Amino acid sequence: SYEMTQPPSVSVSPGQTASISCSGDKLRNKNTCWYQQKPGQSPVLVIYEDNKRPSGIPERFSGSNSGNTATLTISGTQAMDEADYYCQAWDSSTGVFGTGTKVTVL
Amino acid sequence: EVQLLESGGGLVQPGGSLRLSCAASGFTFSSFAMTWVRQAPGKGLEWVSGISGSGASTYYADSVKGRFTISRDNSKNTLYLQMSSLRAEDTAVYYCAKTHYNWNDAGDCWGQGTLVTVSS
Repeated sequence: SYEMTQPPSVSVSPGQTASISCSGDKLRNKNTCWYQQKPGQSPVLVIYEDNKRPSGIPERFSGSNSGNTATLTISGTQAMDEADYYCQAWDSSTGVFGTGTKVTVL
Repeated sequence: EVQLLESGGGLVQPGGSLRLSCAASGFTFSSFAMTWVRQAPGKGLEWVSGISGSGASTYYADSVKGRFTISRDNSKNTLYLQMSSLRAEDTAVYYCAKTHYNWNDAGDCWGQGTLVTVSS
């Protein structure tokens, strides 16, 4: 079955840039999206179709997908961005989530 | 405003059955595919199942294939997940999500989740 791997944790200082990777075989050929989940809350879509932002998502969130890696970038990270982040893609008629990354804003 | 409200969770014994519901409002329900995603306590997200807007096409994770059935009633704006032969590893919060359009599109709106506990 298809698998996507994310780093367990990423630490960033306020105002700096956080980059979260999502690695999977030939991921570039798949439609990827990213979700933010804060403790006790439901996930929120922050990026879809590799690099599109839903209405209401701040411009500091951006996405890219190349080769075997999709990347979520948070520019000018704020304390409110501290959360778990998951990538998602689809393969062989099933959805697949990445392993998840905890972003800590120090 | 798009709203999704799950219900039907609870405590069930191993081998038992449960049906989850997801009541949708605020959008043209029949025009969008829907999905179920679950999250075991302290764990990551796991995609469970998807269904097309018409209900004609359904998709399942290998972990639930043959035990879970996704369906929808577009006249009632409601999504369902019939779960049978439940196992301890099915214990999780179950979320329904509206997709951007197709079954393999991002989930752009999620419900609050309903907890399913499988235990004797």
